[in-house]
Amino acid sequence: QKEVEQDPGPLSVPEGAIVSLNCTYSNSAFQYFMWYRQYSRKGPELLMYTYSSGNKEDGRFTAQVDKSSKYISLFIRDSQPSDSATYLCAMTLSLNAGNMLTFGGGTRLMVKP
Amino acid sequence: DVKVTQSSRYLVKRTGEKVFLECVQDMDHENMFWYRQDPGLGLRLIYFSYDVKMKEKGDIPEGYSVSREKKERFSLILESASTNQTSMYLCASTPQQGGNSPLHFGNGTRLTVT
Repeated sequence: QKEVEQDPGPLSVPEGAIVSLNCTYSNSAFQYFMWYRQYSRKGPELLMYTYSSGNKEDGRFTAQVDKSSKYISLFIRDSQPSDSATYLCAMTLSLNAGNMLTFGGGTRLMVKP
Repeated sequence: DVKVTQSSRYLVKRTGEKVFLECVQDMDHENMFWYRQDPGLGLRLIYFSYDVKMKEKGDIPEGYSVSREKKERFSLILESASTNQTSMYLCASTPQQGGNSPLHFGNGTRLTVT
């Protein structure tokens, strides 16, 4: 079993839809949770970053962490064709662990006009 | 804006060849990383370096080595390329340890070993 599981998709939605992207993980010691966005033929870029449980909102994006269920989500409101990309979740044990991130396999999202 | 530059976008090499993948960052970052990205497996850490001439093994170092002679440059070396090393290779850098310091990635080198 992988430490971090993520549905590879592709997930296809119409423009304007609410998108829910999810990851489950097995290591309850993970404390820091991130979402990276990767456009085709580009490197990943950090989208959202949260610590421990709870929600964090940034514009159309909301990151949610449920540590009791070992489940994290990224919600995209009013999705746009420019949101079409692969979304990677990543997590790490602590700040002292440096940037030793454990990544999910990524979910490919397609937003159709 | 941080720039991480990987010298080649696409490489095709033969089995047994020695392969060098080069990465340069322009923001004086201490830490540099090499990952490989494969479908369904996400990113897996090969090697990282916290300082010049320092290197640490990541999760999958077998078949790879690295070199960091200058702070801005981090090279990944495949001593004898094999077909199972066909992959996308991503270099990243960050100024300091810590989850609140995002990894800055290059655009990747897609290596095919035939």
